[in-house]
Amino acid sequence: QKEVEQDPGPLSVPEGAIVSLNCTYSNSAFQYFMWYRQYSRKGPELLMYTYSSGNKEDGRFTAQVDKSSKYISLFIRDSQPSDSATYLCAMSDLHGSSNTGKLIFGQGTTLQVKP
Amino acid sequence: EAGVTQFPSHSVIEKGQTVTLRCDPISGHDNLYWYRRVMGKEIKFLLHFVKESKQDESGMPNNRFLAERTGGTYSTLKVQPAELEDSGVYFCASSQVPGTEAFFGQGTRLTVV
Repeated sequence: QKEVEQDPGPLSVPEGAIVSLNCTYSNSAFQYFMWYRQYSRKGPELLMYTYSSGNKEDGRFTAQVDKSSKYISLFIRDSQPSDSATYLCAMSDLHGSSNTGKLIFGQGTTLQVKP
Repeated sequence: EAGVTQFPSHSVIEKGQTVTLRCDPISGHDNLYWYRRVMGKEIKFLLHFVKESKQDESGMPNNRFLAERTGGTYSTLKVQPAELEDSGVYFCASSQVPGTEAFFGQGTRLTVV
């Protein structure tokens, strides 16, 4: 079983829709949670970063972490065609045995926002 | 401020040849990571430098891979000799604090034929 599970999609929505992207994980030691956006042939771009449980909002983006359920979400409001990309969740356990802070990634969800 | 830069962006080599990938992290970032994504799989950790020291190389596939970070600035990842299964996209990332906001380069797409 993978440490982080993410539905690869693809997910297709009309412009203006609210998009919900999700990941589940198995390691209860994860404390730092990140969402990256990756356009084709580009590197992952950090969108949101959350420590522990709770919500964080940045413009049209909201990240939620529910540690009790081992479930994280990214919501995109008023989605735009320019949001079409692959969205990757990633998480780390800074205080693990190696103290390396390496990121464990989900497989990524491909999102297409149609005009 | 310049981001993480990687060279080359794309490399095609024959099986058995050697390839060296380079990463220039964001200035001031002591933490440098190498990751790899092979086709159809998730991005996976290879190793972590703190300045010039290897903190964790548990993700390195085998001894054909050698990473260095001389002087704690840029890093190189050498594959020698390359095998077909080494094909994929190699990403470098850097951060000020380990495990937190990591910034990625555009990646090097390696194709071994």
